[in-house]
This record gives sequence, structure tokens and C-alpha cells, in this order.
Amino acid sequence: DPKIIQKPKYLVAVTGSEKILICEQYLGHNAMYWYRQSAKKPLEFMFSYSYQKLMDNQTASSRFQPQSSKKNHLDLQITALKPDDSATYFCASSQNWGGQDTQYFGPGTRLLVL
Amino acid sequence: AQKVTQTQTSISVMEKTTVTMDCVYETRDSSYFLFWYKQTASGEIVFLIRQDSYKKENATEGHYSLNFQKPKSSIGLIITATQIEDSAVYFCAMRPYTGYQNFYFGKGTSLTVIP
Repeated sequence: DPKIIQKPKYLVAVTGSEKILICEQYLGHNAMYWYRQSAKKPLEFMFSYSYQKLMDNQTASSRFQPQSSKKNHLDLQITALKPDDSATYFCASSQNWGGQDTQYFGPGTRLLVL
Repeated sequence: AQKVTQTQTSISVMEKTTVTMDCVYETRDSSYFLFWYKQTASGEIVFLIRQDSYKKENATEGHYSLNFQKPKSSIGLIITATQIEDSAVYFCAMRPYTGYQNFYFGKGTSLTVIP
């Protein structure tokens, strides 16, 4: 059974719209993260959460808003979508929010903005 | 500045041989953690192996092992007895012990194992 679930797997959106990417982890981890992977750049860290508290935000744009309704959920809301937002978004989790803890990745949501 | 560099963009090897993938990193932190992941053709990112900077012994995990050379800020991944299913993109990543807890990823090395 998948331990980290991301929904949807694929997403097509029009410029200017808003979408929510879903992430749930069943590893019993206390920390969750969002990363973005586009064709032109390596995996980029976006956000980290620990016990539902935002720990770090490396996303310059406020159009990206993480939402944590439960400890094992970390959704990503993206507003006013732009074609440059097209990428695969990966959710990850680790036992705790600490450098020594290995992060495990979900399968990703591939977003295409037209 | 924190940075991870993988200079090999792609490598091809024959099945059952050994391959080494290079990775160098930059950090001001005295303690840090190094990781290797692989990304399969389906896009799945899989954790392979890690090295803690304070450990002198090279980590091993199955047919993966690391060549950690701290003075050179280098962490090479060695795959022995390569298999077709090892074909993937391999990412090196570093995470400092203190400060921002980001993972810094390299751009990846694409490995093709030829039967």
C-alpha cells in the first residue's frame, strides 16, 4: 500500500485559475514538505511543516499556500496559476523535522498550466 | 552558500558491472547529512542511502555504497553488479544539521544499464 498519497496524479489548469494539490502520509511522520521539479531546474524545496506548523518557506510567491488540516496532511493551494508553474510537485515526509531524518517522497502531481 | 553539484549528466554501463557517480557539495556547516535518491522512469523518487558527515565509515546498503571524502567535500555513489532496473536518474542531496533545514539537490545523473 502506498505510504504517501498525492492527488491528483495529473492536473491540467488554465492560466489564472486556482488548484489544490493533496498530500497524505501514512508513515506516522511528524514533518512534511513540498518540492517542485521542473524541466529546467533540479528539485526545489518549497515548504516544510512540523506538527502542522510552518517551519520554513523558500517560495518567493504568496500564490503558493500550504494547508495542514491534520498532522498527516499537507495540501498545497496554488492561486492565479501561470504557465511557469507547470512542474511536478512532490510531497515528502520525515519522522521529525531534523537534518538527520531521511525524507521519503510521494509519487508527485504533474501540473500543466495552459 | 549551500550547493550540490553532479557533473556527470549521463552514464551508460554494461549490466553486471560497477558504476560510480560523482557528487560534490558546498556547505559552511560542520555537520551535515548526505543522501542519494533515484528517480525511476515513472517519476517515483526512492531513497537509497545516506551518509552522516561525522561518520568516517562509508555507508553501504545492499549493492549501493558510498565513497565519502570529507576533505574533498565529495560523496560518490557506487553501484555494484548493476541491473537493468538500476536505469534511472540519481540525485545527490545534502541537508545541513542546523539552520535552514532544506535539502539541496544536485541536478542528477542519468544512468543507463545496457543488457
